[in-house]
Amino acid sequence: GNSVTQMEGPVTLSEEAFLTINCTYTATGYPSLFWYVQYPGEGLQLLLKATKADDKGSNKGFEATYRKETTSFHLEKGSVQVSDSAVYFCALRRFTNTGFQKLVFGTGTRLLVSP
Amino acid sequence: DVKVTQSSRYLVKRTGEKVFLECVQDMDHENMFWYRQDPGLGLRLIYFSYDVKMKEKGDIPEGYSVSREKKERFSLILESASTNQTSMYLCASTPERYNEQFFGPGTRLTVL
Repeated sequence: GNSVTQMEGPVTLSEEAFLTINCTYTATGYPSLFWYVQYPGEGLQLLLKATKADDKGSNKGFEATYRKETTSFHLEKGSVQVSDSAVYFCALRRFTNTGFQKLVFGTGTRLLVSP
Repeated sequence: DVKVTQSSRYLVKRTGEKVFLECVQDMDHENMFWYRQDPGLGLRLIYFSYDVKMKEKGDIPEGYSVSREKKERFSLILESASTNQTSMYLCASTPERYNEQFFGPGTRLTVL
C-alpha cells in the first residue's frame, strides 16, 4: 500500500547548521509529494511540494527533490534559524476509488534549533 | 486569507459522553477532512466530506461519525467517548479535488 517513512526525531541543531530530514515513500505510480510544517500550538501548513519526478520544491530556504530512483523526498535547508523549530511532516497524495484525494502522512520529525 | 477554525483548542470530557468537535471554513471549499494526530503515528484520516451531506470513511472511522449540513461546517462526533480517543484532532479543507489542504489549529481532546 501507500506509506511514508520519516527519520525519527528530535533533530537538534545549532543556529546556522545544515538540515536534512529524510523521507522515503512506498506507492504505486508517481504520487505528488509534500512537506508540511507544524509550529508550536498551530495546525499544519504546506511548506513545499513536488508533483513529478525530478521536480524540486522550495520555500523559505527549504528544498526537497522528488527522486523516483530512490523513492525519496528529503527536506534540506542550508542554514537553520531558531524560528524553524517545529514538527515537519512528509506526505504523499493518493486517490480513492471515487477519485478524491487523500494525504498519507509520515510520523513527523521534530526539529529543535538552539541559538 | 484562508481560514479554518475549530470550536475549541482544548476539551476535557468523561468516558461515555457524546462529544461534538466543530470545524468551520470561510473559503467556500467543497472538501473537508478530519484527522487525529498521535505521537509516533503522524496524522490519520478519520472521515472526509466532498459535498454537503456527502461523506466517506477514512482510514480509522471506528468510534466516530460526521455531519455536514452546510458547506462551511463539518462536525466530528464521538457517540460515546473512550479514553483511547484522547488525541489532537485536526480539521482541513480544500477547494477542489487536487489542491493543497488548509488546516485548522487543532483541538486537543482529553477523555477521562
